[in-house]
Amino acid sequence: DAGVTQSPTHLIKTRGQHVTLRCSPISGHKSVSWYQQVLGQGPQFIFQYYEKEERGRGNFPDRFSARQFPNYSSELNVNALLLGDSALYLCASSLVGTEDSPLHFGNGTRLTVT
Amino acid sequence: EDQVTQSPEALRLQEGESSSLNCSYTVSGLRGLFWYRQDPGKGPEFLFTLYSAGEEKEKERLKATLTKKESFLHITAPKPEDSATYLCAVLSGSRLTFGEGTQLTVNP
Repeated sequence: DAGVTQSPTHLIKTRGQHVTLRCSPISGHKSVSWYQQVLGQGPQFIFQYYEKEERGRGNFPDRFSARQFPNYSSELNVNALLLGDSALYLCASSLVGTEDSPLHFGNGTRLTVT
Repeated sequence: EDQVTQSPEALRLQEGESSSLNCSYTVSGLRGLFWYRQDPGKGPEFLFTLYSAGEEKEKERLKATLTKKESFLHITAPKPEDSATYLCAVLSGSRLTFGEGTQLTVNP
């Protein structure tokens, strides 16, 4: 069975540009979450979507936005990129949006902002 | 604000040398404590979920335990392939709050 897939795997952008990251959840999973992981730190929560609705948002500026599509795939958009946005962006999916369903992570998109 | 602190930051063991990793947490309304393993360049891989104090779970050489304030990941007779970063996270609401991880190296 395919796990969570993310694209692209690596990306280099310039300050001020915008970026779109994509995620396909495990088949049958309806909840998608996004996390940012800076090198040497644990992942930080950005968004959770369940059944195409935003169910949670972390402490990130409005430059970060996301959406979930009818097929449960998701996009994370970041506008006006800053150097500090350089990180590994992880997508995770789960069956439902509750504690009974652990998150399964993809291998991430490595974003470098120069 | 939810907080998770993991110790030690890094741990070097010889193959077969058992040890424990610690995860201390402060959370309003714990809905679950999770352990993940992360290999370089990969996403975290789910290991265990613990829900209540006193609960224990095992998988191969790993055993996770939970108290009201902390969790331990015990590694028995580790092998080099157990080398990875081990992440602890607490679920509160819809979000996981992660610690910074313990980087484990097992030397042959």
